[in-house]
Amino acid sequence: GAGVSQSPRYKVAKRGQDVALRCDPISGHVSLFWYQQALGQGPEFLTYFQNEAQLDKSGLPSDRFFAERPEGSVSTLKIQRTQQEDSAVYLCASSLMGQGWSEAFFGQGTRLTVV
Amino acid sequence: AQTVTQSQPEMSVQEAETVTLSCTYDTSENNYYLFWYKQPPSRQMILVIRQEAYKQQNATENRFSVNFQKAAKSFSLKISDSQLGDTAMYFCAFMKHDSGANSKLTFGKGITLSVRP
Repeated sequence: GAGVSQSPRYKVAKRGQDVALRCDPISGHVSLFWYQQALGQGPEFLTYFQNEAQLDKSGLPSDRFFAERPEGSVSTLKIQRTQQEDSAVYLCASSLMGQGWSEAFFGQGTRLTVV
Repeated sequence: AQTVTQSQPEMSVQEAETVTLSCTYDTSENNYYLFWYKQPPSRQMILVIRQEAYKQQNATENRFSVNFQKAAKSFSLKISDSQLGDTAMYFCAFMKHDSGANSKLTFGKGITLSVRP
């Protein structure tokens, strides 16, 4: 595709429900990042993949958060037993290279509201 | 750990005028990158400008330029000839240089810029 695509754009979940957020990176991009952006704040790092390998998951706030990228392309961020504090925009970004710097292209995010 | 501070929550500027957005950061790293990103209401982060810490020359990109003061750990963004389309949230961000793997971005809290017609 032309850019990073995230779905759904909006998700409302009842407290305790499980949710799955999808990210389609730009084709051929090696690196994929997930960020969480609370209302009125800057994005905060959650996790990083280089191809299918999850190299850094230090930002995941609890063991209720799980991310995967099994074939090195599409990635899914799963949140189990959602809590109100999980309400945020979840941003995905991909970049061409796995080493050094290459520009990160962001999707439009998924806005998760837990009620 | 790195921190990025944007102390101005919002600013307003008249169309065609110049505005400067402030950012300071703290790090013990010597080799890193600094960025300004724009986030319009569509929520998609767009890279505005990038600065490599080892370069003394300030980066410029058309109407956008930075004032990078490494010793002071300051990285401000100047927008010249402001346009209505510049209205957005602006985030300052830091990335450690790592030759072995891609690195995460550390963002400030952002500043809301409004351009008045």
